[in-house]
Amino acid sequence: DTEVTQTPKHLVMGMTNKKSLKCEQHMGHRAMYWYKQKAKKPPELMFVYSYEKLSINESVPSRFSPECPNSSLLNLHLHALQPEDSALYLCASSQEGWGMETQYFGPGTRLLVL
Amino acid sequence: DQQVKQNSPSLSVQEGRISILNCDYTNSMFDYFLWYKKYPAEGPTFLISISSIKDKNEDGRFTVFLNKSAKHLSLHIVPSQPGDSAVYFCAASETGTYKYIFGTGTRLKVLA
Repeated sequence: DTEVTQTPKHLVMGMTNKKSLKCEQHMGHRAMYWYKQKAKKPPELMFVYSYEKLSINESVPSRFSPECPNSSLLNLHLHALQPEDSALYLCASSQEGWGMETQYFGPGTRLLVL
Repeated sequence: DQQVKQNSPSLSVQEGRISILNCDYTNSMFDYFLWYKKYPAEGPTFLISISSIKDKNEDGRFTVFLNKSAKHLSLHIVPSQPGDSAVYFCAASETGTYKYIFGTGTRLKVLA
């Protein structure tokens, strides 16, 4: 089973709203990732968690707040977003994140900020 | 600075023929390479990977070739099928960095 699930599938929010994206995997992977993808562009790395610790923050604005409550779950808390934050948000996981591993992606959450 | 490049934004191929998608990289420290297939508004689906100690990896209709001296990899799909129509991304990683760098993608259209 190489499944990564993400909820919700679609999200529309206003600039003053607070919402959360959720990602789950049951492959025993210890590295989890958040990516942002705009139309016709490659996925851009936002955050990496390894063994539930934040390993990489790619200078993402503080209106995005990641959380890894346990090794299977990854959340992305959203607050005071801007319309330019509208994108497909992808979660991925891999064995440990250290190297020579396959990343498996979830289906993504399509976010629209009004 | 785009470390991973896919110079062909699109490619059209007749059904049953070979599709060849290309990817170039600049960072000689990359040691693991992957190809993903992506449909609109969906997550990338893993296709095939290759480590830098190999020059070829095959899985069914998909074969990836790696030329380290040229910093070039390619994905061959034989025979191509209409269901292969999608955007294909190559990605590269360097052990110890946690990062996967994606190319800009090639849209493949397989014509029936």
